[in-house]
Formats: sequence, C-alpha cells, structure tokens
Amino acid sequence: GAGVSQTPSNKVTEKGKYVELRCDPISGHTALYWYRQSLGQGPEFLIYFQGTGAADDSGLPNDRFFAVRPEGSVSTLKIQRTERGDSAVYLCASSSLAPQAETQYFGPGTRLLVL
Amino acid sequence: GDSVTQMEGPVTLSEEAFLTINCTYTATGYPSLFWYVQYPGEGLQLLLKATKADDKGSNKGFEATYRKETTSFHLEKGSVQVSDSAVYFCALSDESSGTYKYIFGTGTRLKVLA
Repeated sequence: GAGVSQTPSNKVTEKGKYVELRCDPISGHTALYWYRQSLGQGPEFLIYFQGTGAADDSGLPNDRFFAVRPEGSVSTLKIQRTERGDSAVYLCASSSLAPQAETQYFGPGTRLLVL
Repeated sequence: GDSVTQMEGPVTLSEEAFLTINCTYTATGYPSLFWYVQYPGEGLQLLLKATKADDKGSNKGFEATYRKETTSFHLEKGSVQVSDSAVYFCALSDESSGTYKYIFGTGTRLKVLA
C-alpha cells in the first residue's frame, strides 16, 4: 500500500516568508508526528497528533511554528516569518493504534532552504 | 530527559567485514528501541526493533539485543555488503508521556568498500 507522502519535496524561500509543508499519512493511521532533521543530526521531535488534536507540541521551537490536522488525516506544518536557521529536512511519520503504536513509518521529507 | 548516544562515524569497512555500531540510551521508563536506516537519497526505514529487555531484533542480517543492564542496543552484522552503505540511526520511543515520540541519536554513517 501507499506509504507516507510529503509535499513539496524541496522548498526554497526567502527570509521572512511564510511556508506550508504537507504530510499525507498512511491510510488509517491515527497518530502523526513531525520531526526536523538538521544536517548531520538525527531527527528531532516537533509535534504529535492523535486524531485531529495536537496531543504534544512540546518540540515546536517557537510560536512561528504551527501545525494542523483538521480531519484527522492530512497534516500541514506552517512556518511564519522564516529564518535561515529554519533550513532543514522536515519529516513526517505516522503510526497505527497500540500495540503497534510504537513503530513509526516515515515519509521522504521536505527539504526547506531559507535564503 | 531521555537521550540516545551513538558512536560517531564515519565507519569505513571492507566488504564481508564484521560491523558493530554502538548505541546507549538513558530513559526514565522502559522504552522500545529501534534502528532506522537512511540510504542515499531515500527516507528513513525501520531496520529492526526490540520492545523489552533481552529481546533481539533482527532483519537483513543485522541484529541488536536490548540490554537493560548496560542500557545498550548495539547494531551488529556478521558480513557487510557494499549495499549496506547508509546512515544508521538508533532511537528510543518515549512511552512515559503516552505519545511514543522518538528520540534519535545523531546517526552513524557506514561506508562499505568493495
């Protein structure tokens, strides 16, 4: 079946602009995660959705970052007033309910470059 | 808080050599442990996992054993191939908050020479 998909695959923007990154999880997966991976580093947790609600947003670095999942499927990560330090690969992952909940399936990522 | 420490790379081996990539963790609870692999130009793929102490995860000739006494989950393979060249990430699943979010190590790049 289809895996997790993310669009766009690459995004180049200018400092101060607004960007939206989209994630389509595996069909039927209720849990959705966003991570950020900087060059040479492991992914870092940003936010977790269970259904439509953000159950844990403790990883969002500041209030310029926001994410939604209005219908419990597709999610959008939104970054306002982008800064050069936001340049990274943004990864989305999904998982099903327990007992399989601990295995996450990752998308290919969106590479964001802020000039 | 919880954390994962991996050996630094790059690791360069000849084909058919034995591979060990060290991974240790700190956690307040009893996490599940994972190895993910990222091949060049591709996304993260689950390689193997273990959910409790003394469990051994295995896949594609790779193995790792969940060692609670040493808080380790070292990745091993008896005979590496050129196609194993990739970046390997150790991760734990933080279950204490009920979110199962992952905490990753920094990754270890493996290069296998023919």
